[in-house]
Amino acid sequence: DIQMTQSPSSLSASVGDRVTITCRASQSISSFLNWYQQKPGRAPKLLIYASSNLQSGVPSRFSGSGSGTDFTLTISGLQREDFASYFCQQSYTTVTFGQGTKLEI
Amino acid sequence: QVQLVQSGAEVKKPGASVKVSCKATGYSFRSYGISWVRQAPGQGPEWMGWISTYNGETNYAQKFQGRVTMTTDTSTGTAYMELMGLRSDDTAVYFCARDTRVLSGTQFLGVYFDFWGQGTLVTVSS
Repeated sequence: DIQMTQSPSSLSASVGDRVTITCRASQSISSFLNWYQQKPGRAPKLLIYASSNLQSGVPSRFSGSGSGTDFTLTISGLQREDFASYFCQQSYTTVTFGQGTKLEI
Repeated sequence: QVQLVQSGAEVKKPGASVKVSCKATGYSFRSYGISWVRQAPGQGPEWMGWISTYNGETNYAQKFQGRVTMTTDTSTGTAYMELMGLRSDDTAVYFCARDTRVLSGTQFLGVYFDFWGQGTLVTVSS
């Protein structure tokens, strides 16, 4: 299986900050990479699909980039509601998720 | 609006089986597959497998082969996931998710999960 490694595993930031989360695949996955946000006790919410495409209804402060093995999720101008966990997910071969990044105040 | 509503929490003993349901409304059930994803406490999500709601074809993650069965009832728009031979490390929240194929023209660009059920906590304990 393709392993997905996220960094950092946790991150402290403040409202208004710009933050970047990285996801690295153990082999090339082209652009078959999605990002999700998850709040405690809730299901994951799709933010970005196919590396850089913003899901409908998701604020434009979220953006994604990358291809091959290295990908980033950037949040520009953090809002209070953005403090949550974030997961990457590949679907190049079957499906695997990263272990997550917890974004804390 | 699209909704996936799952059955309630379960408590099972080791060795038992559990069957979780996922009722889909607000879209054409047979137009999208359903994936099942579980998440143990404090861990990242883990994909268990996929079922085509069109023809019942399944694709299970190797880890769960022989222990999981996914089915659908197209008459009610409901998907089911049964996991057998439960162990304590199967304790997790189990989610169903609508499985959407990403296409650019005719080029396949992967799969994402755009709608999720609320989750079903399955606790395995003696």
